[in-house]
Amino acid sequence: DTAVSQTPKYLVTQMGNDKSIKCEQNLGHDTMYWYKQDSKKFLKIMFSYNNKELIINETVPNRFSPKSPDKAHLNLHINSLELGDSAVYFCASSGRGASYEQYFGPGTRLTVT
Amino acid sequence: EDQVTQSPEALRLQEGESSSLNCSYTVSGLRGLFWYRQDPGKGPEFLFTLYSAGEEKEKERLKATLTKKESFLHITAPKPEDSATYLCAGLGPSNTGKLIFGQGTTLQVKP
Repeated sequence: DTAVSQTPKYLVTQMGNDKSIKCEQNLGHDTMYWYKQDSKKFLKIMFSYNNKELIINETVPNRFSPKSPDKAHLNLHINSLELGDSAVYFCASSGRGASYEQYFGPGTRLTVT
Repeated sequence: EDQVTQSPEALRLQEGESSSLNCSYTVSGLRGLFWYRQDPGKGPEFLFTLYSAGEEKEKERLKATLTKKESFLHITAPKPEDSATYLCAGLGPSNTGKLIFGQGTTLQVKP
């Protein structure tokens, strides 16, 4: 069973389009995250939700909007896609307590043409 | 500004040739230092968390250590299957779980 899953795995789209990425975790975790990994493999936090409440909102263009319908799901919607949005987007989750060990999904490679 | 820096950027080893990867951090109120392994086309895989200076953790050929300024990932007698990108990340004092990642060290182990 996949612990953290994302769909789609690959996403190729044109500039100006709107797209969504979905994430689901079956670990029973309370906190979920969205990260962006650029071409140099630098991993940067974008958003985090704890029990459907937004707790991390980094300096990200407001074209990016996360939504958490429940604590097992976290989606990322991107409006008016730009070339610079091309990257790999990872979802992660972590459980309660101070450990904050985060478990990552397989990633969604977004290519904007 | 909180920052995590890894070195070297890339490392090539022969099978059996031990070495160390460095992770320097300037994270105010560091609550934990995390190591992850990332294979091409996959998400990062959790390896270790270190919470205090002097702490060490081991897993197979890997041993992670922590000082007040840096962490090391020691690889003893590596095998080709240890080839991957190794990421370290610092956890700050907030309760949000925000991790600050370094840029990673890509390790290649040749048979």
